[in-house]
Amino acid sequence: DSGVTQTPKHLITATGQRVTLRCSPRSGDLSVYWYQQSLDQGLQFLIQYYNGEERAKGNILERFSAQQFPDLHSELNLSSLELGDSALYFCASSVVASGSPDTQYFGPGTRLTVL
Amino acid sequence: GDSVTQMEGPVTLSEEAFLTINCTYTATGYPSLFWYVQYPGEGLQLLLKATKADDKGSNKGFEATYRKETTSFHLEKGSVQVSDSAVYFCALSPRTSGTYKYIFGTGTRLKVLA
Repeated sequence: DSGVTQTPKHLITATGQRVTLRCSPRSGDLSVYWYQQSLDQGLQFLIQYYNGEERAKGNILERFSAQQFPDLHSELNLSSLELGDSALYFCASSVVASGSPDTQYFGPGTRLTVL
Repeated sequence: GDSVTQMEGPVTLSEEAFLTINCTYTATGYPSLFWYVQYPGEGLQLLLKATKADDKGSNKGFEATYRKETTSFHLEKGSVQVSDSAVYFCALSPRTSGTYKYIFGTGTRLKVLA
């Protein structure tokens, strides 16, 4: 158990819909990262938040957005869903944002299926 | 840009065989390097890491050495077990100011037969 929790575990929805994925980082971790794991793209970095502020963006679509709340949990919002958005979405957390290499701890993931 | 290349899988071995999974990287500067393991239905777990050239990371019988001259971080284990069956990901964290996002390889599936 990494200490990172993600809900829900599974999500099935239809094209055009909007969903919210939730992540609670390990106690004391200030950074949250979101990754997408799909069969054709592998593991791709989406976005990072540090202590409530966006710190880095990766291959995140404009239809996707995220935020980190004062209690440090984070939400990833996916809208206007397409079939190709079906994937495993992982959240990871670490103590710091930069300054020294830092181990990221991954949650169990949310499997999104878009029908 | 920065990238990680892993050997294609799946890799199928008999129990107690020697394992090597190749990983090479492209990065500016001196990234940190990681191996993560993903068991079926689970998230990624850190297996080992190395933060500078010639560092050797080790854990649970697995080892990898940070080779700057060959830009490699190959994963090895002397004697694999059935319980090692999983997908292994090589990753780098570039030393870019402001973030330590990971860049992952495509993953290598290992299957160990009894």
